[in-house]
Amino acid sequence: DQQVKQNSPSLSVQEGRISILNCDYTNSMFDYFLWYKKYPAEGPTFLISISSIKDKNEDGRFTVFLNKSAKHLSLHIVPSQPGDSAVYFCAATFSGGGADGLTFGKGTHLIIQP
Amino acid sequence: NAGVMQNPRHLVRRRGQEARLRCSPMKGHSHVYWYRQLPEEGLKFMVYLQKENIIDESGMPKERFSAEFPKEGPSILRIQQVVRGDSAAYFCASSPGRGIYNEQFFGPGTRLTVL
Repeated sequence: DQQVKQNSPSLSVQEGRISILNCDYTNSMFDYFLWYKKYPAEGPTFLISISSIKDKNEDGRFTVFLNKSAKHLSLHIVPSQPGDSAVYFCAATFSGGGADGLTFGKGTHLIIQP
Repeated sequence: NAGVMQNPRHLVRRRGQEARLRCSPMKGHSHVYWYRQLPEEGLKFMVYLQKENIIDESGMPKERFSAEFPKEGPSILRIQQVVRGDSAAYFCASSPGRGIYNEQFFGPGTRLTVL
């Protein structure tokens, strides 16, 4: 039972353009969402997060949008740079306690083409 | 400030042997999480520990797997009598506190291969 779904295993985007990575979730208890970036042979590193009380959070080139009614979130990267090529994981949890681990999607491999 | 350290980075075991994976959290962090990533899958939470205590082991397989985080030394994830299905990347994360506003910092992982 996949509670966090990333339906695109890979995405190819030209350098300088916008990259949009999507994520859907099924558990309505989730109220805090995170994006992690992972390079080969390294652990995931935190990128950006959003609480369910917001619908948008921005940090530099990265913006996360949350649509609670659709149980959908997306990560926008603009402009895309070669160093953004990595696997991006969407993760979710709930703030009310009792869930210490994060629930991850399977990841989307972003490839930035020069 | 060194990050989360895991060793070994690669571990090869034959079926039936034991695997011990070690995780040293970041300095000042007393909360440790273990995750497993099977091939082509996302990371799956296994267990959450604070010093000397297992707080949440809801993702831990019921048999052959155990974890500890002693007062001194690294956290250990132990897999007894390994099987081929245990082949995966095992990631450890640490945080300075509990809850969503305490970021989990991940180590580079241990890649376990069971022959």
